[in-house]
Amino acid sequence: GDSVTQTEGQVALSEEDFLTIHCNYSASGYPTLFWYVQYPGEGPQLLFRASRDKEKGSSRGFEATYDKGTTSFHLRKASVQESDSAVYYCALSDPGSSSFSKLVFGQGTSLSVVP
Amino acid sequence: EAAVTQSPRSKVAVTGGKVTLSCHQTNNHDYMYWYRQDTGHGLRLIHYSYVADSTEKGDIPDGYKASRPSQENFSLILELASLSQTAVYFCASRELREGNTGQLYFGEGSKLTVL
Repeated sequence: GDSVTQTEGQVALSEEDFLTIHCNYSASGYPTLFWYVQYPGEGPQLLFRASRDKEKGSSRGFEATYDKGTTSFHLRKASVQESDSAVYYCALSDPGSSSFSKLVFGQGTSLSVVP
Repeated sequence: EAAVTQSPRSKVAVTGGKVTLSCHQTNNHDYMYWYRQDTGHGLRLIHYSYVADSTEKGDIPDGYKASRPSQENFSLILELASLSQTAVYFCASRELREGNTGQLYFGEGSKLTVL
């Protein structure tokens, strides 16, 4: 079945550091890929998505590029701020499988940024 | 603005007791979902529904039932609560017309503690 793997469970950075959260996926079809962010006490919310190979999604200084060759959608930000502290989820929705109607999420990465 | 509201926001239940978590959406969306959030597991799908009076099993349905009496309302029912069901539960909705590119709109979560 479809799956999403996030390598980092927890990331601790200082303000202005560069951020990378790795996301790799396995899908039978050509999925849409998502990044969600969850702030403390809130539900997850969409950060951005991408549906085509080489498409770049971006929002609030975060970006990721859909790479079908390496089945990856890594999240990056050049300079993190304390307000970026949150849990980040990579997810996919695959039109070629039963997961078309649902999103499959990775394990989540907890980002902590200190001043 | 999309709106998904969950109740209760927090609940303490006894082992073997019955628990009902409720979700109401004003988005006029077709799809509704119940996810469970656990540290290290991310978000896992319990049940979902794409039309009133019909529900589908997700990836971890055992021990849970779901009910969709109307387009706006979707409930998760734990007939015999167990310690292992202590978690945060999220309801979400999604627009059918967007297909697999559609995003999920989440509620704020219901924290369930089973003692």
